[in-house]
Amino acid sequence: GENVEQHPSTLSVQEGDSAVIKCTYSDSASNYFPWYKQELGKRPQLIIDIRSNVGEKKDQRIAVTLNKTAKHFSLHITETQPEDSAVYFCAASRGVTGGGNKLTFGTGTQLKVEL
Amino acid sequence: NAGVTQTPKFQVLKTGQSMTLQCAQDMNHNSMYWYRQDPGMGLRLIYYSASEGTTDKGEVPNGYNVSRLNKREFSLRLESAAPSQTSVYFCASFQVQGLAFFGQGTRLTVV
Repeated sequence: GENVEQHPSTLSVQEGDSAVIKCTYSDSASNYFPWYKQELGKRPQLIIDIRSNVGEKKDQRIAVTLNKTAKHFSLHITETQPEDSAVYFCAASRGVTGGGNKLTFGTGTQLKVEL
Repeated sequence: NAGVTQTPKFQVLKTGQSMTLQCAQDMNHNSMYWYRQDPGMGLRLIYYSASEGTTDKGEVPNGYNVSRLNKREFSLRLESAAPSQTSVYFCASFQVQGLAFFGQGTRLTVV
């Protein structure tokens, strides 16, 4: 089955700096890569996703890049703010192409944005 | 439109007790999933149901059973709770394209 590795497990940045979280996946058939943000005591919420037919996607201060050849994808947050502090999870799935929509998660990155 | 509703929010069980976690979605999704979340281990899949009438094991199914009651509801049962099942449980339903919607979670403590 799919295996998703995520690094780093904790990340501390100064407000205004950029943050980068990296994930690798093992299943070459995976074609859907979402990122979830989870605030303390809350449910995971989708912040951005990318499909395997594109290499990069951007939404305001958040961007995701995908390298299918190397089987890795990354989350980039620019101009970080205190409200960006949360746990971020990457995930991978085969989407609609097979295997149900089984979504495999990375182990999470605790991002702390310091004033 | 409530999305995914999960009950209860909190539960304390004694070792050996049983309980059922309930999950319902009103988005007409075919796929529904149960995950558990433990510190440092992310979200691990317990069981999933790709469509009404089907269920399959995920990564950590031991000690759990599920029922896909109808298209809306997917329940998770602990027959004989163990301290190792202390965790936060999330139900999720999936759009066809893969987008997941999560319930608010159940914090379960087994003593």
